[in-house]
Amino acid sequence: AQSVTQLDSQVPVFEEAPVELRCNYSSSVSVYLFWYVQYPNQGLQLLLKYLSGSTLVKGINGFEAEFNKSQTSFHLRKPSVHISDTAEYFCAVTKSGGYQKVTFGTGTKLQVIP
Amino acid sequence: NAGVTQTPKFRVLKTGQSMTLLCAQDMNHEYMYWYRQDPGMGLRLIHYSVGEGTTAKGEVPDGYNVSRLKKQNFLLGLESAAPSQTSVYFCASSIGGGGTYNEQFFGPGTRLTVL
Repeated sequence: AQSVTQLDSQVPVFEEAPVELRCNYSSSVSVYLFWYVQYPNQGLQLLLKYLSGSTLVKGINGFEAEFNKSQTSFHLRKPSVHISDTAEYFCAVTKSGGYQKVTFGTGTKLQVIP
Repeated sequence: NAGVTQTPKFRVLKTGQSMTLLCAQDMNHEYMYWYRQDPGMGLRLIHYSVGEGTTAKGEVPDGYNVSRLKKQNFLLGLESAAPSQTSVYFCASSIGGGGTYNEQFFGPGTRLTVL
């Protein structure tokens, strides 16, 4: 069985400061990893995804994530946040082949303080 | 393209009432999903469909039914609403069901309150 852990339920950060949102997963096989963002009163939209290849993945709005197989982590980072980054961020994991469930983390609320 | 749309956006029900949530996608995706989102619990899969005419249970299917008569539509029904079903419901779709094909596209959500 696969699982995703987002240890931080809320992360406050000042505007223009860097931020890291943590995600750890568990799976016995190779995985595909995603980060989704949910702005207030909206649905989720894809921020970035790791499928294979380079472990550093760049996404939209200046976000990037690094896949670390040995630590089973896929942390999301941004060097300088903006007020508009205030949202909830979800890490998700799935596997290849046939129908594979997507397991979502419980989310991290990023609060950017002006 | 409109992507994934959901109807209605908001609804208030009394305990015991029934209702149907409609999801439509215009991306010709094979897979469709219904999730519920509750504070601190992330997204939980209610039911999903791997193609027109097929449905399957997810993690929390009790109290819900679904139908996929047309490829582009996925309906979620509540036969007898309970306060525990107060939640935000999201529909999603994907090209396929595994790996990269499982990138999911979400609708804007339906906020349901059961009194």
